[in-house]
Amino acid sequence: AQRVTQPEKLLSVFKGAPVELKCNYSYSGSPELFWYVQYSRQRLQLLLRHISRESIKGFTADLNKGETSFHLKKPFAQEEDSAMYYCALSHFNKFYFGSGTKLNVKP
Amino acid sequence: NAGVTQTPKFQVLKTGQSMTLQCAQDMNHEYMSWYRQDPGMGLRLIHYSVGAGITDQGEVPNGYNVSRSTTEDFPLRLLSAAPSQTSVYFCASSYSMGDGGNYGYTFGSGTRLTVV
Repeated sequence: AQRVTQPEKLLSVFKGAPVELKCNYSYSGSPELFWYVQYSRQRLQLLLRHISRESIKGFTADLNKGETSFHLKKPFAQEEDSAMYYCALSHFNKFYFGSGTKLNVKP
Repeated sequence: NAGVTQTPKFQVLKTGQSMTLQCAQDMNHEYMSWYRQDPGMGLRLIHYSVGAGITDQGEVPNGYNVSRSTTEDFPLRLLSAAPSQTSVYFCASSYSMGDGGNYGYTFGSGTRLTVV
């Protein structure tokens, strides 16, 4: 069965520090993976699609099939990055989400 | 484009009442989904549709019904509200890319439902 695990509920870093938000998945086929961001009391917004290998707002994510991971990274965190981040996996166009990681960037 | 529009934004129900959460999208997306968001549990898929007339259950379908008579609309019905259905509900829509992959879901602004 498909599953997405985000092991950290909360991640606190100082402004300017590197950030890595962890995402591990369980899936038997070739996964389609995504990262979403949700700012306080707002709707979820698509941040990254692994298939397009984009960099959005300085964030990148690399699919590691050997480790079944899709960690989200940013070299220098900004205060405006504080938000909830969700990793998601698409299975026949149904999306399954992890439980989310709250990123807190301290000044 | 308005994107994905959900109504109402807030609702308080008494246990046993029924209601319909409305969702409409104007992007001609084929896929639509309903999620509930609860603290510490992320988003869980309630129901799903791949096109008009076709729906399927997600992870937590009990107590909810859906129908999709048009591409644009995907209402979620609570049959007999229970306190366990207190949550934030999100509707989302998406489409396939040319290579068969998914573009990624666009979400509505959510409905905050409280059942007392």
